[in-house]
Amino acid sequence: SYDLTQPFSASVALGQTASITCGGNNIERKNVHWYQQKADQAPVLVIYRDTFRPSGIPERFSGSNSGNTATLIISRAQAGDEADYYCQVWDSSTGVFGGGTRLTVL
Amino acid sequence: QVQLVQSGGEVKRPGSSVKVSCKTSGGTFSTYAINWVRQAPGQGLEWMGGIIPILGTINYAQKFQVRVTITADEPTNTAYMELSGLRSDDTAVYYCAGDLVDMTAGFDPWGQGTLVTVSS
Repeated sequence: SYDLTQPFSASVALGQTASITCGGNNIERKNVHWYQQKADQAPVLVIYRDTFRPSGIPERFSGSNSGNTATLIISRAQAGDEADYYCQVWDSSTGVFGGGTRLTVL
Repeated sequence: QVQLVQSGGEVKRPGSSVKVSCKTSGGTFSTYAINWVRQAPGQGLEWMGGIIPILGTINYAQKFQVRVTITADEPTNTAYMELSGLRSDDTAVYYCAGDLVDMTAGFDPWGQGTLVTVSS
């Protein structure tokens, strides 16, 4: 089975840039999607296919994918960005999620 | 704008089954893949399986293969997930989530979630 590794937690100062990583074997060969989940809410897609933003997602959210690591970047972090973030890929028609990263905005 | 609306919360006894529905509105059901994802209290997201109605394709996570059945009723634009042999650790919020048929666009939209509580 394919495993995705995320740090359990991350923190960022208000107005600064946060980076959340997602590690997987040759993950650059896969489409990586990122979800934001706030407390007691359903997840929301914030990046799809490595770098694309769905309609309504601020430009502050961006993504990259190279080698064995995909990265979600949140620029000019706001208090409202505090949430859990999950990466997700497909592996042989099986959906795989990373364990999630809790982002704290200081 | 496609929306997914799920059935309400359920309380079940251990050993029983639960069937959760997910109705699509505002879009063409046949152009979507419907996936099921669950989240136990305080835990992360876990993909259970998915169905592509237009292709008749169903995939299950190996962990749930024996206990889960995913179906779709195209006339009513509704997908279903049935989980049998319920245990206390099946207590979770169950979400349906849509994706394009080629599974390249990520899960969007999501249903509101259905809390299933397994308790004796």
